[in-house]
Amino acid sequence: QSALTQPPSASGSLGQSVTISCTGTSSDIGAFNYVSWYQQHPDKAPKLMISEVSQRPSGVPDRFSGSKSGNMAFLTVSGLQAEDEGDYYCSSYAGSNNLIFGGGTKLTVL
Amino acid sequence: EVQLLESGGGLVQPGGSLTLSCAASGFTFSSYAMSWVRQAPGKGLEWVSVISGSGGNSYYADAGKGRFTISRDKSKNALYLQMNTLRVEDTAVYYCARAPVRGARMVALGFDNWGQGTLVTVSA
Repeated sequence: QSALTQPPSASGSLGQSVTISCTGTSSDIGAFNYVSWYQQHPDKAPKLMISEVSQRPSGVPDRFSGSKSGNMAFLTVSGLQAEDEGDYYCSSYAGSNNLIFGGGTKLTVL
Repeated sequence: EVQLLESGGGLVQPGGSLTLSCAASGFTFSSYAMSWVRQAPGKGLEWVSVISGSGGNSYYADAGKGRFTISRDKSKNALYLQMNTLRVEDTAVYYCARAPVRGARMVALGFDNWGQGTLVTVSA
């Protein structure tokens, strides 16, 4: 199964909003409401930011939100802060206890 | 506090074997599925395998099928990944991750806690 498609990079100014896309197929994102998003800072472990398309785990700021439309999922970061800079990965359940990740998007805060 | 601590990484020759361990603490180990996720140097995340809370069910990504075996020991609160016939392309940081479960779907909800990772280098 192919990886989900994410733009390699995204950027936004402090205080602004940015949206990162994640494109899958009708067998993964389109088939299930099980999209997750992770934030990863350099040389650190990933951190779960969104699960089940739009659910924020405890402790994740409400500046982070997720949505889905068809075979695409989106992560929006509002009110960008310097600490939001990092790599972001989407993942989707693909059935039969199989999971696929996106290639990652490097977010730069200007 | 949930803690996951991987160990066992290192340098191994192509065709060799290695077993990774993950020590879990701070939660009821048997209540969660556990997974391995890897990241090649400078690359993205790749799901490797998952095992149910009871240890009775396990699943693998295509890259590890037939070569990797995931297991867990409830008496030690430990997760393992035995890797055989290693290839250069298996070189990566391997993360242990906790997987909340929804019914029979063990990876659907994502991974809510991760270890710091252990580096496996496959090279001659």
